[in-house]
Amino acid sequence: SQKIEQNSEALNIQEGKTATLTCNYTNYSPAYLQWYRQDPGRGPVFLLLIRENEKEKRKERLKVTFDTTLKQSLFHITASQPADSATYLCARDNYGQNFVFGPGTRLSVLP
Amino acid sequence: KAGVTQTPRYLIKTRGQQVTLSCSPISGHRSVSWYQQTPGQGLQFLFEYFSETQRNKGNFPGRFSGRQFSNSRSEMNVSTLELGDSALYLCASSLAPGQQYNEQFFGPGTRLTVL
Repeated sequence: SQKIEQNSEALNIQEGKTATLTCNYTNYSPAYLQWYRQDPGRGPVFLLLIRENEKEKRKERLKVTFDTTLKQSLFHITASQPADSATYLCARDNYGQNFVFGPGTRLSVLP
Repeated sequence: KAGVTQTPRYLIKTRGQQVTLSCSPISGHRSVSWYQQTPGQGLQFLFEYFSETQRNKGNFPGRFSGRQFSNSRSEMNVSTLELGDSALYLCASSLAPGQQYNEQFFGPGTRLTVL
């Protein structure tokens, strides 16, 4: 099955800075990648989806990029706030059968 | 529109027992997927149901099973519980499987502790 790696288990940044989270995948390029946010004790919440033919997608302070050459997606949060502190998960399809999630990156935005 | 609901929210069982967890998807959603989340393994796919049929299954032993009813509600069952089954079990619903850009809506999860 497909694999997803998120190369930072935890990331601490100062409020107001841009947080950048990385998602790397193996094997064939997925048709799309999804990013989710998960708060402690709660289920993941969908944030953004980026398609294979899209280089970049934005939603308010969030930006996602998709580089099929590097087999990588970057997730940016600009002007970060303490309320952005959470675990962020990326997900890809597994041969169109189901989703495979990365282990997540726990982001802490320090005031 | 009500979100995905899961019951119970917390459960404590002992080894060897069996447990049934329930999931009610968002109204109109016909696909239900189940995931197990643990600190060591992350979020792992268990199975997916659509139109009362299991569409996909993850790499879990046969002790883990599920079903879906005609109203799209789903249950999952774990028999002969082991300590390693302690986890957060998440249910996710989507409109239908096989649609490339399906967004999944997750429930709050059921926290299962096996003693």
